[in-house]
Parts: sequence; C-alpha cells; structure tokens
Amino acid sequence: GQNIDQPTEMTATEGAIVQINCTYQTSGFNGLFWYQQHAGEAPTFLSYNVLDGLEEKGRFSSFLSRSKGYSYLLLKELQMKDSASYLCAVMDSNYQLIWGAGTKLIIKP
Amino acid sequence: DVKVTQSSRYLVKRTGEKVFLECVQDMDHENMFWYRQDPGLGLRLIYFSYDVKMKEKGDIPEGYSVSREKKERFSLILESASTNQTSMYLCASSLWGQGSNQPQHFGDGTRLSIL
Repeated sequence: GQNIDQPTEMTATEGAIVQINCTYQTSGFNGLFWYQQHAGEAPTFLSYNVLDGLEEKGRFSSFLSRSKGYSYLLLKELQMKDSASYLCAVMDSNYQLIWGAGTKLIIKP
Repeated sequence: DVKVTQSSRYLVKRTGEKVFLECVQDMDHENMFWYRQDPGLGLRLIYFSYDVKMKEKGDIPEGYSVSREKKERFSLILESASTNQTSMYLCASSLWGQGSNQPQHFGDGTRLSIL
C-alpha cells in the first residue's frame, strides 16, 4: 500500500529552527508537496520538490532524497504565526496526491 | 490570486437528507477535487474532475456523487447523509489536465455535521 509518515506533533521555540520530516512509500513518484494549514483554514501551498536536493524560499526550505523516500521541511527564525499543521503529499505514478496526516507545529514564546 | 469559494463554512443536516456542497473557482482551472479531512488522517480524495461533465472516483466515493456542469463549479452531493459523513470537506482546483504537477489551491472548507 501507499503510505506517508510524518510526526503528529512538534513543539519549538520562537526564533529557533525546526525540521519536520516526511517519509513515503508510494507506487511511483512525480513530486512531493508541502502545505501549511492554520486551524480552521484552507491548506496553502509552500513548496514542491521533484529532484533531489534543497529548495529554499525565504525562511522555509524543503529537501528531498528520492532514493531514501524522504523529505523534510525546515523552518528558520520561527515566528508565532508559524504555528500550524504542515502537510506532506506525494504525487504517485498515476499523478494522484497521497497525503500524510500532517504535523501540528506548536511555537512557544 | 486563485480563489476557491465553498458555499458554506458550517452546515448541520439530519440523517437521510440529501446534502449539496458547492465549490466555485475563478482561475479557469481544469482540475477540481473534493476531499474530506478527519483528525489523525490525511486528506482523502472523494471525487475529482479533469473537465466539464467529467468525473473520476477517488479513494472513498461511496455515499457521494458529484456534478460538474460548468468549468468553474464542482458540486459534491451526499445522496442520503449518514453520521459517519460528519467531517470537514475541502474543495481544491489546479491547472492543466491529467498528469499535472501543479499545486492544488484549496477553499476554506465546509464543516458538515450530520445529526
């Protein structure tokens, strides 16, 4: 079967750095997406990786290793507004998105 | 910016009722999707559509149907609502047809309670 694993919850301190991991087992691979979802709101697109390596977008970076079936989202200089759930999703060989359950990130002052 | 609008944020219905959830997008996207989101589970795809009048079953289509009469509008129908359909329903749209790796853009969701 197809599976996406990410930690259920993480806690970090304002101003610090946090890394949210995602491992996947899917039938084929056509890219990996990260989304941010604040409580009661719509998921919003953060990043897309299809090749190995690091993609940087301001305070957020996303890394992919296809051989290891592994990705992480790195958030730097954490702000209180970064408190949200972070969803990892993989596009399989049929171009269908397989979603992880999400990681709830709690930022403490 | 892409705007995906769902008709209701909160909805309460009774068991056995026929329920309509509406979704409209304003960016001329070909692809539209309906998901449900439950605590501890990832987004689960109910139905999707790549074009007008076209629909495909997702992972959990049982108890649901959809309609896409116009490109911008994708409706989800609960034929006879049951309590296990109490959930958050999310509509999304994206560019291009099948095989797209474009990001999906989501509406704010409809929190549906079936009593």
